[in-house]
Amino acid sequence: QIHLMQSGAEVRKPGASVKVSCKTSGYSFSNYAMHWVRQAPGRRPEWMAGINVGNGNTYYSLKYQDRVTVTRDTPASTVYLELSSLRAEDTAVYYCTRDFDIVAAPYTFDHWGQGSLVTVSS
Amino acid sequence: EIVLTQSPATLSLFPGERATLSCWASQNIRTSLAWYQFKPGQAPRLLIFATSNRATGIPARFSGSGSGTDFTLTISSLEPEDFAVYYCQQRSDWPPSFGQGTKVEIK
Repeated sequence: QIHLMQSGAEVRKPGASVKVSCKTSGYSFSNYAMHWVRQAPGRRPEWMAGINVGNGNTYYSLKYQDRVTVTRDTPASTVYLELSSLRAEDTAVYYCTRDFDIVAAPYTFDHWGQGSLVTVSS
Repeated sequence: EIVLTQSPATLSLFPGERATLSCWASQNIRTSLAWYQFKPGQAPRLLIFATSNRATGIPARFSGSGSGTDFTLTISSLEPEDFAVYYCQQRSDWPPSFGQGTKVEIK
């Protein structure tokens, strides 16, 4: 069974950084891309970034490209999202999600983690 | 960036009723549309991809249709577990984007 297990809730002060993890299981980790989608309170979900786990290529939304880094640890089947220079507007639930087919139909998200709440507050 | 607009914002229905959710795209996205179900505290779930294809394990009461700019998700007979928020998402143009959601609530 495919499972994406995310790290727990985090609280940060403005200007700090946060790193969220997503440990995967139940499938061949290197054969799929992974993405990060966030949802701020009362807002629609928003795609932030992705990584082709097989070759390490990363893809960043222009809105976040200066502040976000996505990495992977292949032996641990885990992907990470790091967001820096946090502000109050970054308070959101951050989801990792697997890409259904990065070659034929990228950016369809077929399995999701349970979400990690990041709160930015002074 | 393609903007997706969903209607209605809230749908109040009884279990057993039919739900019809709409999603409009600001540009032609062909059939590059998916639908997701979100519930509080749970992992979101892919329901429909490429407009009309049910994802693995999704019951037949869920169906999708449309093309171009107008899309529909239909739940033929609502079960108690179907009351949730539904989002459409396009992958035709980068970056991928989501609609603002339709909440299906129990009447």
